[in-house]
Amino acid sequence: GAGVSQTPSNKVTEKGKYVELRCDPISGHTALYWYRQSLGQGPEFLIYFQGTGAADDSGLPNDRFFAVRPEGSVSTLKIQRTERGDSAVYLCASTREGGGTGELFFGEGSRLTVL
Amino acid sequence: KQEVTQIPAALSVPEGENLVLNCSFTDSAIYNLQWFRQDPGKGLTSLLLIQSSQREQTSGRLNASLDKSSGRSTLYIAASQPGDSATYLCAVRNTDKLIFGTGTRLQVFP
Repeated sequence: GAGVSQTPSNKVTEKGKYVELRCDPISGHTALYWYRQSLGQGPEFLIYFQGTGAADDSGLPNDRFFAVRPEGSVSTLKIQRTERGDSAVYLCASTREGGGTGELFFGEGSRLTVL
Repeated sequence: KQEVTQIPAALSVPEGENLVLNCSFTDSAIYNLQWFRQDPGKGLTSLLLIQSSQREQTSGRLNASLDKSSGRSTLYIAASQPGDSATYLCAVRNTDKLIFGTGTRLQVFP
């Protein structure tokens, strides 16, 4: 596609529910990133995929968070037993290849609100 | 651990002014530095990418400089316009990920 696409754009859920957020990167981009942005803050790194594998998941806050990229393109961020503190904008980015020098392109984000 | 700081946190200027946004980082061993613009409720739009071997990059009215040894970058906006109002984020890449500052919120009034 022309840009990074994220769905849903908005998600409201209740505490304790399960949520999935989807990211469709730019066609041909092998590296994909998930970030989380709280109000008034800069984005914080969650996880990075190179192809199908998670190359760095050091930013995932706890084991309720999990992400997959089974075919090396679309990725899904999964959040179990959501808590109010999970409310944030979840941003996805892609770049042509990982490893350092590429420009990252971001999607519009998925705004998650946990009531 | 890499830390990125942006000063000022907020800036309000009249239309037509030239302005400078500052970004500093603690670990100079970076691959590159990227400046982004973020409009309220929107994602990030990439403005400029400076590789570690470069000193500056220009795009239209925007000019970004990089002094890697001192851990600093500046974004210069010439002849500011109300449409430039947004949050500007600086991010550095050490290894496989970008580390962001908290941004400068810019308002340009007519």
